[in-house]
Amino acid sequence: GAGVSQSPSNKVTEKGKDVELRCDPISGHTALYWYRQRLGQGLEFLIYFQGNSAPDKSGLPSDRFSAERTGESVSTLTIQRTQQEDSAVYLCASSLGEGAFTEAFFGQGTRLTVV
Amino acid sequence: RKEVEQDPGPFNVPEGATVAFNCTYSNSASQSFFWYRQDCRKEPKLLMSVYSSGNEDGRFTAQLNRASQYISLLIRDSKLSDSATYLCVVNLNNNNDMRFGAGTRLTVKP
Repeated sequence: GAGVSQSPSNKVTEKGKDVELRCDPISGHTALYWYRQRLGQGLEFLIYFQGNSAPDKSGLPSDRFSAERTGESVSTLTIQRTQQEDSAVYLCASSLGEGAFTEAFFGQGTRLTVV
Repeated sequence: RKEVEQDPGPFNVPEGATVAFNCTYSNSASQSFFWYRQDCRKEPKLLMSVYSSGNEDGRFTAQLNRASQYISLLIRDSKLSDSATYLCVVNLNNNNDMRFGAGTRLTVKP
C-alpha cells in the first residue's frame, strides 16, 4: 500500500521567502511527526500530532515555523521568512498511534535549500 | 540534558567484528524503545523494538537497562551491508511522542 508521501521532494528558495511543505501520512495513522535533519546531523524533533489532541510544538525552533494538520490527514509545515540555516531535509513520519510499540514510517523527505 | 543521547561515532570495524552501541534517555517514565537504521541520504527505518527482557533478531541483540536508563544494540559478525547510522528512539510519554537520538555512524570495512 501507499507509504508516507512528502512534497515537494526538493525545494530551492530565496532567503526571506515563505515555504510550505506537505505530508500525506499512511491512511488510518493517527500520529504524525515532523523532524529536521541538517547535513550530517541527527534528527531534530519539530512537532507531533496525535489525533485530535493539542499538538506537541515544543521542538519548533522559532515562531517562523508552524504546522497544521486537519483531522488525521494531511499536514503542512510552513516556514516564514526563510533563512539559510533552515536548509535541511524535513522528514515526516506517521504511526498508528495505538500501543507503545507502534512503528513510525517515514516519508523520503523534502530537501530544502535556502539561497 | 538531552532527551536521548548517543555517541555519534564513527565506529569503523572490520567485517566479522562485534560492535555495540549505547543510548541514554532522560525520562525515567518512558516505556518503549526502538532502534532505527538510516542509510546515507535515505529515510530512517525500524530495525527492532527493545523489550524489557531484551530481544534478539539474528545477529542483532537489543537490551534495556531501566535502572541506568540506557538501551544497547549489539551487532555480531558485522557485514559490509551493516554500514549505516543507527538511531536510538524513545517513546517519551508512552503516547507515541517519539524522540530520536542523533545517531551512531557505523562503517564496516573489508
